[in-house]
Amino acid sequence: DAKTTQPTSMDCAEGRAANLPCNHSTISGNEYVYWYRQIHSQGPQYIIHGLKNNETNEMASLIITEDRKSSTLILPHATLRDTAVYYCIVRVVRAGGTSYGKLTFGQGTILTVHP
Amino acid sequence: EAQVTQNPRYLITVTGKKLTVTCSQNMNHEYMSWYRQDPGLGLRQIYYSMNVEVTDKGDVPEGYKVSRKEKRNFPLILESPSPNQTSLYFCASSPRTISYNEQFFGPGTRLTVL
Repeated sequence: DAKTTQPTSMDCAEGRAANLPCNHSTISGNEYVYWYRQIHSQGPQYIIHGLKNNETNEMASLIITEDRKSSTLILPHATLRDTAVYYCIVRVVRAGGTSYGKLTFGQGTILTVHP
Repeated sequence: EAQVTQNPRYLITVTGKKLTVTCSQNMNHEYMSWYRQDPGLGLRQIYYSMNVEVTDKGDVPEGYKVSRKEKRNFPLILESPSPNQTSLYFCASSPRTISYNEQFFGPGTRLTVL
């Protein structure tokens, strides 16, 4: 799986968009970008994933650059409850092998949403 | 409500006393997994199961056992717990997708072994 680099921490004002960057310059063609978040000591929560097109769901939007070397998770209207550690994970989708579902969470970005 | 449940949520025990942490999901997911989370080490996979009666080791399986007799349950067994197994444990499940990378996590079990 490709290595990812995220800022250690970010701040955002409540109601504003939170834009969380992730660098994955060694990503290969069959690797997807996944985002999870973990609110203090709770179980991680899946947010969104994408391959090369921008994706949007009810939680967030994912923008992947054309060269796929970086991506941005966008929380359009951050709330205090979005304060969490956000993890960017790059994972290959394999047809076989023994590493199915073995997510590797790095250090992530601590997002603090303040009033 | 679709969810993954774990019990107990908190447990303090002593070295060598066998314990089981239960995990159950009500989403009919095929894939289930156990992780442990330790400061500075992130989440590490202990065991996973791709279906009933199919289990395999993750990155840190030593000292743990699992079983998958029913689709909904995936208990984690510590036959002889030691202090280095003090950790925050998460169970996760995933529907049948090509990669099982979209996972639903339980609320966690905080285990302390004295």
